[in-house]
Order: sequence, then C-alpha cells, then structure tokens
Amino acid sequence: QKEVEQDPGPLSVPEGAIVSLNCTYSNSAFQYFMWYRQYSRKGPELLMYTYSSGNKEDGRFTAQVDKSSKYISLFIRDSQPSDSATYLCAMSEGYNFNKFYFGSGTKLNVKP
Amino acid sequence: DGGITQSPKYLFRKEGQNVTLSCEQNLNHDAMYWYRQDPGQGLRLIYYSQIVNDFQKGDIAEGYSVSREKKESFPLTVTSAQKNPTAFYLCASYGHTEAFFGQGTRLTVV
Repeated sequence: QKEVEQDPGPLSVPEGAIVSLNCTYSNSAFQYFMWYRQYSRKGPELLMYTYSSGNKEDGRFTAQVDKSSKYISLFIRDSQPSDSATYLCAMSEGYNFNKFYFGSGTKLNVKP
Repeated sequence: DGGITQSPKYLFRKEGQNVTLSCEQNLNHDAMYWYRQDPGQGLRLIYYSQIVNDFQKGDIAEGYSVSREKKESFPLTVTSAQKNPTAFYLCASYGHTEAFFGQGTRLTVV
C-alpha cells in the first residue's frame, strides 16, 4: 500500500464549478499537509499548507484535513481556466530532516 | 529573491554520455532532494542529502550519482548506466515543514 493515494484524474469541469481534490494516507504520524499546483513543464509550487486537522482558506481555495479518517481535500471555488494544472498533495511527520510523501497528482482541466 | 534554480531547462544526451544537472538554492536549507517525474507516475525519489558531504539513495538511484560539497548546491549526474533517462527532473529543498521546488530540467536522449 502506498503511503499516499491520490486519484490521477483527469478531472474536467466547466468554468465556475466547485472542484474537490482528495488524498488518503495511511501514516497516522503525518502532521503537515500541503497542496502543490504544477503547470505543464514547470516545477510544483506550494498552494496551501495546513498543520494537523481543520480547515484553512485562502481566497478561492480551501484545504481540509480529517486526521481521524486520514483524508485531506482541496476545494476550489469559482474555478477558472487558469486553475487547469496538476495538483499534488504532500504530507510529512514534521520533524527535522523529515521525509515528504507525495501523491501522484490529479490533473484538472477547467473548460471556459 | 530566495529560491531554487535548476539548469539547464532542456538537456539532450547522446547514448553512452554522462550529463550533469545543476541545482542551486539560496534558502539556507540543509535538506535537498532530486526527483524524477514521468507522465502519470508522480514524483519518484532519486537521491537526497540532509547535510553537506552526506547523501542517501532514494527509491530509484541506479544509474544516477550526486555530490553535496556545498550547502547551496546538489548536482545530479545521469550516467550511461541509466537505461531510460528521458524524463523531467525536479530538485527540491526542504524547510522544516515545506518543500520548495525548482522549475525542472527536461532531459531527452537523442
């Protein structure tokens, strides 16, 4: 079993839709949860970062962590064509020199 | 501006050649990582270094080598022993809670 599972998609939605991206994980020691956005032929850029359980909102983006279910989500409201990218979840235990575990990425296409 | 710089952006390698990908960071991070990304396979760890003059193999280290002589630099050499080197290579440096990535090098065998 992989440490982090992520549906690869692709996910295609019309402009303005609410998008839900999800990851599940198996290691209960994970405390730090991140979402990265990667445009084609570019390096991933950090989008959202959350510590432990709960929600975090940043503009149209909301990150949600449910540690009891080992499940994290990224919601995108009012999706735009510029949101079309691959979204990777990542997580770590959070200690010094810790290791990051990445999902395989979900490809999102927002159609105008 | 703090960040990670990878060069070159595109690299072409002939059969049997060794090539070196550069990765430099000015974030003062101790930990640096190299990943390979193939379509539909996510990030696969090649090598990582947690401190100068020390590095460890990742999941797919065969055919690759690294050095870490300076904190800022972590070059990756793709050797002729790597049978399928065509891929997108990403370098990352880690703070305590976040990973920062370079813009990647696309290596193609010709």
